[in-house]
Amino acid sequence: QKEVEQNSGPLSVPEGAIASLNCTYSDRGSQSFFWYRQYSGKSPELIMFIYSNGDKEDGRFTAQLNKASQYVSLLIRDSQPSDSATYLCAVRVTGSARQLTFGSGTQLTVLP
Amino acid sequence: EAGVTQSPTHLIKTRGQQATLRCSPISGHTSVYWYQQALGLGLQFLLWYDEGEERNRGNFPPRFSGRQFPNYSSELNVNALELEDSALYLCASQAGADTQYFGPGTRLTVL
Repeated sequence: QKEVEQNSGPLSVPEGAIASLNCTYSDRGSQSFFWYRQYSGKSPELIMFIYSNGDKEDGRFTAQLNKASQYVSLLIRDSQPSDSATYLCAVRVTGSARQLTFGSGTQLTVLP
Repeated sequence: EAGVTQSPTHLIKTRGQQATLRCSPISGHTSVYWYQQALGLGLQFLLWYDEGEERNRGNFPPRFSGRQFPNYSSELNVNALELEDSALYLCASQAGADTQYFGPGTRLTVL
């Protein structure tokens, strides 16, 4: 079982719709959760991070965390064609190992 | 505030050669992480440096090595290059236990 799993997609949504991206993780010791966006040929850019159970909103983006279910999601409201990218879920386990463990990413296409 | 910088942008080498990649973190960040992103694969953790010391390494052979300088910049060395080393190499910097910010990456091609 992979440590961080994402639906690879591709996921297509029409412009203006809500895009829902999901991620599950295997290590119950995971404490910090991150969503990065990566355009083709570019490096990942941080969208949001979440540490506590519940929802965290930032503009059109909402991150949701459920540690009991080991599940984290990203909602993108009013999706725009410019949101078309690969979205990477990353997890960090608290402790001496501070590196991030990434999922394989979900490719999102927003159709005009 | 300047972001993470990496050089070179592209690097072409042949099998058996050595490659050296460089990274400068965001000012004030003492931790540097190196990741490999091979085509079609996710980001794989390579190395973590903090305060000049190697703190952790991923599941990569010893021919992947590096160092961190007193100014917190870092160098990744890949010896005896193999075709499968062709990938985007990403450096990320972090302040304390905060979030990681990535540089633009170095595209390494091994022929």
